[in-house]
Amino acid sequence: EVQLVESGGGLIQPDRSLRLSCAASGFTFDDYAMHWVRQAPGKGLEWVSSISWNSGSISYADSVKGRFTISRDNAKNSLYLQMNSLRAEDTALYYCAKVNVIVPTATGAFDIWGQGTMVIVSS
Amino acid sequence: AIRMTQSPSSLSASTGDRVTITCRASQGFSSFLAWYQQKPGKAPKLLIYAASTLQSGVPSRFSGSGSGTDFTLTISCLQSEDFATYYCQQYYSYPWTFGQGTKVEIK
Repeated sequence: EVQLVESGGGLIQPDRSLRLSCAASGFTFDDYAMHWVRQAPGKGLEWVSSISWNSGSISYADSVKGRFTISRDNAKNSLYLQMNSLRAEDTALYYCAKVNVIVPTATGAFDIWGQGTMVIVSS
Repeated sequence: AIRMTQSPSSLSASTGDRVTITCRASQGFSSFLAWYQQKPGKAPKLLIYAASTLQSGVPSRFSGSGSGTDFTLTISCLQSEDFATYYCQQYYSYPWTFGQGTKVEIK
């Protein structure tokens, strides 16, 4: 079964750091680009970051640029999001998602999503 | 950034109705557009990609069309399990952006 499982969320104080993980299974992880997408409580979807299959192409939303770092370990079938200098507005459910095509870039629709991990930034 | 505007933001419909949701982009692009369905407490589910290609396993009552700046998602015969929120998303240029969502409710 193709599956993504996020972990690492929790309640964290402003300006602190948190690292999210996404464990992939059921597909050849290093064939596909991966993304993080977040959803604030009661709000819509916001794309956060992307990484190509070989980490050669990485992009960020302006709202997290300079504070968040995406990475992957293909040997461990895992995706990560290092979040520094967290703000209240980063409070959201964070999803990892797999693209639906094998391409050198990170382009593609998201055909597999995890269940999400909740990050709450509050003092 | 390309802004994606969905209309309507919500709609009420009955089982069996034909439903159309529109997504307008602030600048034109080809077919790098996807539609997702999200139910409460669940992750989004891919319905349509490349503007009009039905994702495997998705019922054929869902269809997508459009190019340039105007795209549509049509549900030909609404079923009870289709009551959900629908999002469009462009993956043509960074930052990738979603529409604000269209909530389909029971009339």
